[in-house]
Amino acid sequence: TQLLEQSPQFLSIQEGENLTVYCNSSSVFSSLQWYRQEPGEGPVLLVTVVTGGEVKKLKRLTFQFGDARKDSSLHITAAQPGDTGLYLCAGALYSGYALNFGKGTSLLVTP
Amino acid sequence: GAVVSQHPSRVICKSGTSVKIECRSLDFQATTMFWYRQFPKQSLMLMATSNEGSKATYEQGVEKDKFLINHASLTLSTLTVTSAHPEDSSFYICSAKSTSGGYNEQFFGPGTRLTVL
Repeated sequence: TQLLEQSPQFLSIQEGENLTVYCNSSSVFSSLQWYRQEPGEGPVLLVTVVTGGEVKKLKRLTFQFGDARKDSSLHITAAQPGDTGLYLCAGALYSGYALNFGKGTSLLVTP
Repeated sequence: GAVVSQHPSRVICKSGTSVKIECRSLDFQATTMFWYRQFPKQSLMLMATSNEGSKATYEQGVEKDKFLINHASLTLSTLTVTSAHPEDSSFYICSAKSTSGGYNEQFFGPGTRLTVL
C-alpha cells in the first residue's frame, strides 16, 4: 500500500519555468521530508515540515505542509538545469517510525 | 554534519557469493539505521530497520536469512547479502537517524550498486 502519492511522476520543462510537485495521503503524518536524489547517489534532505500549514523556503524552492498534515507540495520557481533530479517526499506516521516514501517525481530541466 | 558513508560504492560478484555492505554515520551517533533497496527510476523500498544492539526488523517480503543485518555500534550497521543471485542486483542505500535529531530526519549514504553475474 502506497501511503504517499506523488504527482506528477515525470516532468520535463524548460529553464525558467515554474513547477509544483504534490505529495498526498489519506493519513496524517507527524512530519514530512522532501529529498532530492541524483542518479547513482543517495537522497539528500532538502527540508522537514512538521506543523500543519507550515511554509518553508529554500532559495527558489517553496515547501508547504497541508493544514491537516496529510499532504505537501514543492514549488520551484524559475527552474534551472541544476534542479534536474528525482524528488522524493517521505513521511513518518509517528515520531521514531520509519519513513514512508512516495514514488518520486523525476524532473528534467532543459536549457 | 550528518554525514553517512557506505562501502563499497560498487561491487560486482558471482552468483552464489556473499557480499557485505557497510554503513557508517561519520559525525553523529545513530541508534537507528535503515536499509533500502532501489530499482532504476523507482523510489526507495524499505527493507529493514536496524537498531543498535538488537535484532533488525524486516519488512514484509524481505528474507531475513538472505539479507543479514548487524548494528553492532552506534555508528556502524552492515548488510550482508548471502548467496547472491542476479535478481539481487540493485542499488542499496542506508540511512541513519541521529539520536539527537527530531522529526524523523534521516540522512542517507551514497548507496552501493550491487551487480550479481
